[in-house]
Amino acid sequence: AQKVTQAQTEISVVEKEDVTLDCVYETRDTTYYLFWYKQPPSGELVFLIRRNSFDEQNEISGRYSWNFQKSTSSFNFTITASQVVDSAVYFCALRAPPTDSWGKLQFGAGTQVVVTP
Amino acid sequence: GAGVSQSPRYKVAKRGQDVALRCDPISGHVSLFWYQQALGQGPEFLTYFQNEAQLDKSGLPSDRFFAERPEGSVSTLKIQRTQQEDSAVYLCASSLATGSDPYEQYFGPGTRLTVT
Repeated sequence: AQKVTQAQTEISVVEKEDVTLDCVYETRDTTYYLFWYKQPPSGELVFLIRRNSFDEQNEISGRYSWNFQKSTSSFNFTITASQVVDSAVYFCALRAPPTDSWGKLQFGAGTQVVVTP
Repeated sequence: GAGVSQSPRYKVAKRGQDVALRCDPISGHVSLFWYQQALGQGPEFLTYFQNEAQLDKSGLPSDRFFAERPEGSVSTLKIQRTQQEDSAVYLCASSLATGSDPYEQYFGPGTRLTVT
């Protein structure tokens, strides 16, 4: 069975501070994909990043960066120099190989990020 | 281009009523997913279509839930005899293809269903 845990319920920061969101996952699959989605108050889930299980290289994309560590089953996400527009709920999601699951996503419970001016 | 659209955006139903929620995926997207998101929770998978074929309905919570995609594009999620526990946001997502490519799923804005 798959499971995604986001232990942080809410994080409040002041604008320009960095924010790191934790994600721990469980899976028996050797090949899988991890995602981060953002859900602003409008409700639509917005895709942010994707990482596959065989590539542990950490990257930076603009103000977003992620730290994937297979040894600890963690896929943490950082927003650098936060802005008020970053205020949203952020979801970590796990996807098993399509042959097993048709690519359906298993989501964590989400972390509410509040950025104040 | 146009994204995934859903209608209605909000629906209030009295307990026992039937409701129908519509999803218009991105044109050309083969895969279509329905998720249910309870308040304060992450989305949970309900069902999956590949074109018009419903290949996975393992997440549907009861036989009161029914989904269809007859022509492989627009999909409808129907809930019969709604109960209060059905109150949630219903999200639709579409994806370009299936197979081994991890195409991301594009989500619609959701339909917020409130059963009174």
